[in-house]
Amino acid sequence: AQRVTQPEKLLSVFKGAPVELKCNYSYSGSPELFWYVQYSRQRLQLLLRHISRESIKGFTADLNKGETSFHLKKPFAQEEDSAMYYCALQTGANNLFFGTGTRLTVIP
Amino acid sequence: DAGVIQSPRHEVTEMGQEVTLRCKPISGHDYLFWYRQTMMRGLELLIYFNNNVPIDDSGMPEDRFSAKMPNASFSTLKIQPSEPRDSAVYFCASSPATRLNTGELFFGEGSRLTVL
Repeated sequence: AQRVTQPEKLLSVFKGAPVELKCNYSYSGSPELFWYVQYSRQRLQLLLRHISRESIKGFTADLNKGETSFHLKKPFAQEEDSAMYYCALQTGANNLFFGTGTRLTVIP
Repeated sequence: DAGVIQSPRHEVTEMGQEVTLRCKPISGHDYLFWYRQTMMRGLELLIYFNNNVPIDDSGMPEDRFSAKMPNASFSTLKIQPSEPRDSAVYFCASSPATRLNTGELFFGEGSRLTVL
């Protein structure tokens, strides 16, 4: 069965410091992984997808199949990055399974 | 487009009462998902529909929960009878197949349910 694990419920970093939000997955098939973000008073929205290998708002995430991880990273955190972040796994059936989420707080 | 519309935004009810949550997906989206969000379990997929047909309801916690999609523009999630442990934020999301294939769901603002 598929599973997405985000070990940190809360994460606080100072502005300008590097940030890494951890995500590990378990899935027997070929994984499609994503990060979603929910800013205060906004809807949950797609941040980035592993297949695009893109950098969005300074965030990147690399799929490591050996470690079954998809950690989200940003070299210099900004206050506007404070939000709830969810890692998600898409199975072949088109449904998305989310982790428990990590609330990131960037301290000014 | 107003996006996915959910109602009510907040619901407070007493244990044993019936609760009905409503969702209007974005026009043209043929997939609709219901999720439940709690602190302990994060976002849990409850059920999803494709072209108004339920595809996977394995996430529905028990028989007290039911979901319907009578047409392409409306879906309901019903809890009867409700219990305090059902307290959570319930999200509806929709997507067209072309965007779902690349992992993009469009979420509503959620319905916060409190069962006393």
